[in-house]
Amino acid sequence: DQQVKQNSPSLSVQEGRISILNCDYTNSMFDYFLWYKKYPAEGPTFLISISSIKDKNEDGRFTVFLNKSAKHLSLHIVPSQPGDSAVYFCAARLQAIRQGGSEKLVFGKGTKLTVNP
Amino acid sequence: DSGVTQTPKHLITATGQRVTLRCSPRSGDLSVYWYQQSLDQGLQFLIQYYNGEERAKGNILERFSAQQFPDLHSELNLSSLELGDSALYFCASSVRPNSPLHFGNGTRLTVT
Repeated sequence: DQQVKQNSPSLSVQEGRISILNCDYTNSMFDYFLWYKKYPAEGPTFLISISSIKDKNEDGRFTVFLNKSAKHLSLHIVPSQPGDSAVYFCAARLQAIRQGGSEKLVFGKGTKLTVNP
Repeated sequence: DSGVTQTPKHLITATGQRVTLRCSPRSGDLSVYWYQQSLDQGLQFLIQYYNGEERAKGNILERFSAQQFPDLHSELNLSSLELGDSALYFCASSVRPNSPLHFGNGTRLTVT
């Protein structure tokens, strides 16, 4: 059962335009959401995050929007640059059930973004 | 450079064999995580250690085991390997359990 879904395996956009990457989740207990970017032959790197009590977080060209009622979040990249071409993973955090327990981070399968010059 | 070091980068071995993957976390990070990424799959959480102790377990098979040593480096042991174990294995570390993860570049395991 996949709790975090990225339904678009790939996305292609033109340089300078907006890239919108989408992510849906099923578990309403997720309290924190993160986006990671991964280049070939490298590990994922943290990009931006958002708490479940917010609906928007912005960091430079990157903005993450959260719609809790729809259990949907999206990552907007404006303007897109060729260097943004990578695989983007959406991740959701499940808080520990008990005190002293550990949280769990659930990843989607990723969306490969290609930004064409 | 994330500061997380994984060795080896590539590993090719036969079914039934045993391998050990090694991870050195970022300086100062106490938490170490292991993830598996199979073809066309997301990152599957295997296990987490914090300051030498196991903290959380995910979808880790009984044939797999891990540990975190006093110097905070970690090893993931995979035994009785099967073709389906072929995957990228990532190690990640964080300062504390709720901090963003910093990933190594992974070990690509190929079981033939």
